[in-house]
Amino acid sequence: DAGVIQSPRHEVTEMGQEVTLRCKPISGHNSLFWYRQTMMRGLELLIYFNNNVPIDDSGMPEDRFSAKMPNASFSTLKIQPSEPRDSAVYFCASSLGASGGVTDTQYFGPGTRLTVL
Amino acid sequence: GNSVTQMEGPVTLSEEAFLTINCTYTATGYPSLFWYVQYPGEGLQLLLKATKADDKGSNKGFEATYRKETTSFHLEKGSVQVSDSAVYFCALSDRPRGGSEKLVFGKGTKLTVNP
Repeated sequence: DAGVIQSPRHEVTEMGQEVTLRCKPISGHNSLFWYRQTMMRGLELLIYFNNNVPIDDSGMPEDRFSAKMPNASFSTLKIQPSEPRDSAVYFCASSLGASGGVTDTQYFGPGTRLTVL
Repeated sequence: GNSVTQMEGPVTLSEEAFLTINCTYTATGYPSLFWYVQYPGEGLQLLLKATKADDKGSNKGFEATYRKETTSFHLEKGSVQVSDSAVYFCALSDRPRGGSEKLVFGKGTKLTVNP
């Protein structure tokens, strides 16, 4: 299996622009997670889906952030408008999630490094 | 909510040295505990886990024992290699009141192993 695929790997944009990050989970996995990693705050869960349905979005920083999962093989995380403080590495992870919980082993993608100037 | 505290790095060791990375947790109930590893330029990978008190997780020579009495889950390896250089994250499962279950990660400990 190719593992979790994220694109782009690097994104540099200017403040105010819209940014869309993409994720393809491992085939057959039912749960998908979006994380943000920064030096200051460490690794934070933004949102997670089970069977394409958002289960917990309490970690989404504010209305500028939105996430969708239109089908089992694709998810997007959108930031609009972007701000310099959004600069971070964004990880997508997936798991079998048969029970809908998060303690099944999570498989992480390589991440997208976002820089907002 | 539940939280994880792990020793701050960076940690620098010579090859074949003994490794300990401390991790303590605060939790209500009985969370599952995890160690994840992040190699340079990659995403996190599960290294090992333990789901109940006194369980020992092990993988690739690494071990950690779930100690309820000391609320700890320290990571150990008897003889590290250069290839073990990475950032190590301790994590626990958390279900906040009224919320859904999620993983809570520590800040990470960077390990560098020199030849």
